[in-house]
Amino acid sequence: DTEVTQTPKHLVMGMTNKKSLKCEQHMGHRAMYWYKQKAKKPPELMFVYSYEKLSINESVPSRFSPECPNSSLLNLHLHALQPEDSALYLCASSQVGHSYEQYFGPGTRLTVT
Amino acid sequence: AQKVTQAQTEISVVEKEDVTLDCVYETRDTTYYLFWYKQPPSGELVFLIRRNSFDEQNEISGRYSWNFQKSTSSFNFTITASQVVDSAVYFCALRPGTASKLTFGTGTRLQVTL
Repeated sequence: DTEVTQTPKHLVMGMTNKKSLKCEQHMGHRAMYWYKQKAKKPPELMFVYSYEKLSINESVPSRFSPECPNSSLLNLHLHALQPEDSALYLCASSQVGHSYEQYFGPGTRLTVT
Repeated sequence: AQKVTQAQTEISVVEKEDVTLDCVYETRDTTYYLFWYKQPPSGELVFLIRRNSFDEQNEISGRYSWNFQKSTSSFNFTITASQVVDSAVYFCALRPGTASKLTFGTGTRLQVTL
């Protein structure tokens, strides 16, 4: 099973709202990732968790707050977002190590109004 | 620094034509890993293949084949007898052996029509 699930599929939120994106995998992967993808652009890495610890933060603004409650779950908490944060947010997982491929979820399409 | 170049922004072909998507990469690492991903309109990136820098064997999987040439720093992807379901954006990506970050190319949008 190479499935990564993400909820919700679509999210519309105002600039003062607080919301969360959720990601789950049951492949036994211990590395999990958040990416942001704008239209007609490649994905941009935001965060990497390795063994449930944050290992990479690509200088992401603090209005994005990641959380990894356990080895299967990854959350992205959103607060006081800007309209330019509207994008497709992709979660991925992989085995730990640089050689392993990442498996992506279907993404959450976020619109900030 | 790492860099992946996909010079073809968009390609349109008629079904059953063969099509090759180009990927050229730059890295100073001697150990690195190359990947191809497919992103259909639904949005999910689908993993297609991983190739290690020390393994230059070409690979064929059904209608898909990959040509890895270290001498020209290229990792090209060919679809034989294309089908409408192949319509998607295809990304080539590079991960050096010393880094955790994937560097993606800008993607090639393939449109296959009847």
